[in-house]
This record gives sequence, structure tokens and C-alpha cells, in this order.
Amino acid sequence: EVLLLESGGGLVKPGRSLRLSCAASGFVFSDYTMNWVRQGPGERLEWVASISSMSRYISYADSVRGRFSISRDNARNSLYLQMNSLRAEDTGTYYCARDPLSASWLDHWGRGTLVTVSS
Amino acid sequence: QSVLTQPPSVSGAPGQRVTISCTGSSSNIGAGYDVHWYQQVPGTAPKLLIHSNKNRPSGVPDRFSGSKSGSSASLAITGLQAEDEAEYYCQSFDSSLSGSRVFGSGTQVTVL
Repeated sequence: EVLLLESGGGLVKPGRSLRLSCAASGFVFSDYTMNWVRQGPGERLEWVASISSMSRYISYADSVRGRFSISRDNARNSLYLQMNSLRAEDTGTYYCARDPLSASWLDHWGRGTLVTVSS
Repeated sequence: QSVLTQPPSVSGAPGQRVTISCTGSSSNIGAGYDVHWYQQVPGTAPKLLIHSNKNRPSGVPDRFSGSKSGSSASLAITGLQAEDEAEYYCQSFDSSLSGSRVFGSGTQVTVL
């Protein structure tokens, strides 16, 4: 069974940093492109970042480029999102999601971790 | 403002058929990129419902079907059931936004 488990969320002040993690199991992690998708309170889904299987290709939404950094450790079956210079509008639930064919659909999602940016 | 536009809400009685539209442009759906659909029950993670315009993953009931034409796509739910009450999102790729997957604005389906 494919499992994705996010962690690292919490309450943080504007301008500070936070690092999210996603532990993957049940599939060969190093074979798949992975993504972060977020959802503000009562809002729509917003794609945040994507990283290819061997980290060769990385892309970001304009709203986070220059502040967020996506990375992965295939030996540890883990995906990360380093979030710097956090803003109130970054508040939301952050999901990690698997992309089976790279730049395609997202076939498995974690339960999400809540990030709240507030003073 | 979402790149992909969906109606905010649709509703139907049990057993009825409802459709959800997803309207894009020449830089996403109209450019030939596939459309995918997700179902999100409040308080839970999104679940893949349809991929590549019309394909159902294993375990998704055949009451759900997808189609695409031009710059738009649609999700149809036939034989509406109470458990179908959820938020539905379309998703595609947009060539005008670097690297970008884009989601629709979301549609709340209410079973009357």
C-alpha cells in the first residue's frame, strides 16, 4: 500500500522558516516525481513545487519561488520542503503527492500537515 | 484567480446526473494538455477520480466519467449518491506558468 506521511507543520511567525517532511512507503520512491500541494483555509488546491525522481528537474509556483526549496533523499524515502521568509498567505495544509508519469496527475496524496503563519 | 474555471456549486437529487465543467484556455487545456479530476471530502486529502481526461483508476465507480473538448473538460456523475457530496477539482498543465500544474477553482456537489 502506498503511504505518504507529512510532518513538520506548526505555528510560525511571519518571516521565519519551517521545514516539512514527507515519509514515503509502499512503492519504489526513487522512481517517481514528487510534489507539494497546499490548500489555504476554505480555499482551492494550489500546486507548490515538483521534483523529479533523481532531482534533476525542479519547478516552483511563482508564489513561492525564491523562498521555498524542494528536495528529496531517495535513500531515506523522504521528500522535503524548506520554507523561508514565511508570509500569512502561506498558511494552509500542505500535502505531498506522487506523480506517476512526471508532469501528469497526482495519484496518491498524504493526509497533509498544517502550517499557520501568524504573529 | 484560478487559471481553470469551475462552477462554485452543483446539486442534484439521489439517482440524478450532474455535470461539472472546467474551462481553460489556449495555454492549458486548449493546448492539448490532459485534464485530471479529484474528489475531496471535507477534512480529508484529495483523491484521484479521473486521469488523462477519461480514465478511472482502479476502485473508482463507473458512475464517474470524464470528457474533454477544445479548451474545456467535464466530469459527470450519474446515479448520484449521498457519499458523492464533496468538493471536486480539475487539474491540468499550463505552458504559460513555469513548470506548472494548475488546479480549477473547485465545485461543491450537494446531494439534495
